[in-house]
This record gives sequence, structure tokens and C-alpha cells, in this order.
Amino acid sequence: EAGVAQSPRYKIIEKRQSVAFWCNPISGHATLYWYQQILGQGPKLLIQFQNNGVVDDSQLPKDRFSAERLKGVDSTLKIQPAKLEDSAVYLCASSRLLAGFYNEQFFGPGTRLTVL
Amino acid sequence: DQQVKQNSPSLSVQEGRISILNCDYTNSMFDYFLWYKKYPAEGPTFLISISSIKDKNEDGRFTVFLNKSAKHLSLHIVPSQPGDSAVYFCAASASNDYKLSFGAGTTVTVRA
Repeated sequence: EAGVAQSPRYKIIEKRQSVAFWCNPISGHATLYWYQQILGQGPKLLIQFQNNGVVDDSQLPKDRFSAERLKGVDSTLKIQPAKLEDSAVYLCASSRLLAGFYNEQFFGPGTRLTVL
Repeated sequence: DQQVKQNSPSLSVQEGRISILNCDYTNSMFDYFLWYKKYPAEGPTFLISISSIKDKNEDGRFTVFLNKSAKHLSLHIVPSQPGDSAVYFCAASASNDYKLSFGAGTTVTVRA
């Protein structure tokens, strides 16, 4: 079974520029997550999709971050405009959707963003 | 507000000895706990978990202990091997939403 795919793996931009990340979850996984991991910290959930609907985006800085999951499969996360503090690894994860259970999350390799 | 804390940023252990990683949590609604392992340039991978109805779960060289009254869990790796050198994240979830809250991680280095 193929894992979660993410691209690009690395991105360097200047502040105030825009950037987009792409994620392809494991086939059949209904739930998709985007996490931000700042150096020295654990991953922090930004947004959770269930199929193509948003379940939780309470920690997404909506003035500059946006995400979509068209057709309930691939997803893109965009930052516009980027700030220095957005430098982090952006992790995508996916899981099945079995009600009443914790569903194991499978993580992609992440995109390391550096904002100069 | 950090609900899951790993107070030791790093741990160095000799090959063959025991590694003990600690994790504390503050949210009493958490009832499912996980450990993830992360190698450089890779995403975290699931290692072992424990439900709040248990106080111990064992999988090969890995054992997780849960002390609910102290809101504390620990991961024991016995014996430690060089391939265990990685960052280990503690995570917790509540059954009302299953969202994961992660600790900051502990970097384990196993010395030959």
C-alpha cells in the first residue's frame, strides 16, 4: 500500500511571498489532516477534512492560510502571504473513518518550509 | 496551552540498555495515548498505543505504562538498539473527537 505523498519536500521563499503544498493521502482514507511542526515542538493540527468537508480548522490562521480538498482525495495547503514564523515542517496525514474508534493516522514525509 | 509535555528533550543510552521516555498530560478527557517515532526527513510513524482502561501494553521490545492518577505515561525500550535512535513523540486523544495532541518530542541517541 502506497503511503501518504507530499510535495514539494523543501521550499525556500521570502516573506510576503505565497506558497502551496500538495498532499495525496492513502487510497481509501476518508480523513485528511494538515499539521504544522515548528522546530523543537510537536506537530500541531491546522485543519482536518472528512472526505471533502472541513471537520476542524480552529487552529488555522485563516487570514493567511487556506486549504482545500477537492473531490475528497488530494489536498492543497496555501500560505499567502508568508511570514518568518511560518518556517516549519508541514505534515499531511490520513486515516480511515471507522466510527467510535481512534483511527491510526499515517503521516507523509512533510514539506520543510523556510521563510527568509 | 501545552496539554502533553515531554520534559526531556534528549536521552542518550548505551546499546543493550533500557531507554525510558516520559510524558505528562493535563487534560483528564484524554483516554488514548500513543507513541510515534520519527527519523530525520521522514514523517512520524506509529509505534505503540495504550487505552486508558489498561495500565500496560507491550509489543516486543517496547512497553508503554500508563498512570492515570498521575497523568503520566512512559515508554520503555529494552534492549535499546542503534536503529532506535530517533525522535519519539508522545500523543494523546480523547474519544469525543479523536484529535491528537503531541508533546515536543524526545531525541534518543543509542551509543554503540
